[in-house]
Amino acid sequence: ETGVTQSPTHLIKTRGQQVTLRCSSQSGHNTVSWYQQALGQGPQFIFQYYREEENGRGNFPPRFSGLQFPNYSSELNVNALELDDSALYLCASRVSGTRGETQYFGPGTRLLVL
Amino acid sequence: AQSVTQLGSHVSVSEGALVLLRCNYSSSVPPYLFWYVQYPNQGLQLLLKYTSAATLVKGINGFEAEFKKSETSFHLTKPSAHMSDAAEYFCAVISNRDDKIIFGKGTRLHILP
Repeated sequence: ETGVTQSPTHLIKTRGQQVTLRCSSQSGHNTVSWYQQALGQGPQFIFQYYREEENGRGNFPPRFSGLQFPNYSSELNVNALELDDSALYLCASRVSGTRGETQYFGPGTRLLVL
Repeated sequence: AQSVTQLGSHVSVSEGALVLLRCNYSSSVPPYLFWYVQYPNQGLQLLLKYTSAATLVKGINGFEAEFKKSETSFHLTKPSAHMSDAAEYFCAVISNRDDKIIFGKGTRLHILP
């Protein structure tokens, strides 16, 4: 158990819809990152938040957005869903953002876009 | 830019045999390297990490990895495979530009009875 939870566990949406995925980090973890893992692939970095501000972004379009809240929870929002957005979405949290610090992953949300 | 390459998308070993999962890295600065395991329908669990303290890193569940700078490798080993080791294994490196984790494509480990 990593102490990081995600909801929902599974989700089915249709193309063009919007989705919000949620992550609850360990208390005291100020940094949260989100990753997309397509079937048969390694996770790909979407973005990172530190103390409620985005401070790093991967190669994902602006329709992928996020929020981080003071209570150590965060959201990943995806607008205008496309079929290729079908994937496992993972969040990872850590204390401060020090390089090399262990990141703790949640179990993921599996999104299917039809 | 940092990257990792995992050799072999699938590896099969017999129960009780040596497990060897290969990972080579590319980095212009001393890297932080990780091995994660993912069991079916689950998230990622950290097995071990290298942060330049010691070249031989011991992790959980009997796994260990050796950092070899001359070979730019960080292979994962376990002396004796157990059925419960069947999973997907990811080698990863920390980007020195924005601290994101860069994952390899993964190696699925199959354990034969």
